[in-house]
Amino acid sequence: ETGVTQSPTHLIKTRGQQVTLRCSSQSGHNTVSWYQQALGQGPQFIFQYYREEENGRGNFPPRFSGLQFPNYSSELNVNALELDDSALYLCASSLEGVLGNTIYFGEGSWLTVV
Amino acid sequence: EDQVTQSPEALRLQEGESSSLNCSYTVSGLRGLFWYRQDPGKGPEFLFTLYSAGEEKEKERLKATLTKKESFLHITAPKPEDSATYLCAVQASNDMRFGAGTRLTVKP
Repeated sequence: ETGVTQSPTHLIKTRGQQVTLRCSSQSGHNTVSWYQQALGQGPQFIFQYYREEENGRGNFPPRFSGLQFPNYSSELNVNALELDDSALYLCASSLEGVLGNTIYFGEGSWLTVV
Repeated sequence: EDQVTQSPEALRLQEGESSSLNCSYTVSGLRGLFWYRQDPGKGPEFLFTLYSAGEEKEKERLKATLTKKESFLHITAPKPEDSATYLCAVQASNDMRFGAGTRLTVKP
């Protein structure tokens, strides 16, 4: 049990719709990162939030956006959904600035776009 | 560009048959190399972080080692419950770069 919780666990959306995924980080962690994992592949970095600011971004288009709240929880928003957005979306939390910090993942949100 | 390559893609072992998984990497300024276990439909479960060449860490039947170019995850006398996908990731800046994983199956 990592203490990182994600919701919803599964959802189905239609192409062109918008989706919001939520993440509560582990107690004491101030940094949240989001990853996309397609079937049979390793997770790919979307972006990271630290102190409510985006602190790094992977190779994803602007229709992927996020927020971090004062309690360090976070949202991932995806607009104009495409079929290729179907994947497991993972949230990871860590304590930035601490040598030896460990990065813990939630169980993920399965998104299917039809 | 940071790259992580894991081999083999899939590995089938008999219970008790020890083996090693490989993670080769190229990265500028390694902050850490991570090993995770992932069961089907679940999020990655943290196993180890290694920071410098020569470092080793152990947990039950697993032992991770690190050199300047690769890391090994040694599995000693595996059991069927060790069946999972094992992911390796390197951290250089704010993100982690993952390999595609090794899918391990341990048959009783």
